[in-house]
Amino acid sequence: GNSVTQMEGPVTLSEEAFLTINCTYTATGYPSLFWYVQYPGEGLQLLLKATKADDKGSNKGFEATYRKETTSFHLEKGSVQVSDSAVYFCALRTSNTGKLIFGQGTTLQVKP
Amino acid sequence: NAGVTQTPKFQVLKTGQSMTLQCAQDMNHNSMYWYRQDPGMGLRLIYYSASEGTTDKGEVPNGYNVSRLNKREFSLRLESAAPSQTSVYFCASSEKRTGPTEAFFGQGTRLTVV
Repeated sequence: GNSVTQMEGPVTLSEEAFLTINCTYTATGYPSLFWYVQYPGEGLQLLLKATKADDKGSNKGFEATYRKETTSFHLEKGSVQVSDSAVYFCALRTSNTGKLIFGQGTTLQVKP
Repeated sequence: NAGVTQTPKFQVLKTGQSMTLQCAQDMNHNSMYWYRQDPGMGLRLIYYSASEGTTDKGEVPNGYNVSRLNKREFSLRLESAAPSQTSVYFCASSEKRTGPTEAFFGQGTRLTVV
């Protein structure tokens, strides 16, 4: 079946450190891939997306590249800030049914 | 622009009670979703509606029913609440059924079943 697996958290970094959150997926067909962010007490917001192999999504300094050969969509940021502290979710939308499926989420804590 | 509105925001139920979680979107979106969020489990899809008049089961549909009342509204019903249904519930909507269309989320309903 279709699924998304993210690295275990929490991830704790110092301000200005480099961030990588790993995400791999299993899907039939050609899914669209997403990263969503959830700040405390809020719903999820779209951070970035990619639609096909080798596409790079980017927003607010975050980037992720759709790697079909490794079925991965890892999230990266060169220099994190305290305000980036949140829960990050990797997700896919299946190309046939349109179901939107999420990984388990990774909590990021950035310390000053 | 309200986006996706969920009611109520908080609810405490006794085991065996029933309730309906309401969700409405004002973006003229075709697809709507209900998720539950539990610690360490991420968001799990309960039911979704690809378009008005259709609904389909997600990963964890047992103990829930849904109604796509019209294009705007998608309700989730717990007929006989159980402690295992204690969770935060999110409703979401998207313009299209497939492709890289963004999903917009409500603020969530925190449900406790005692």
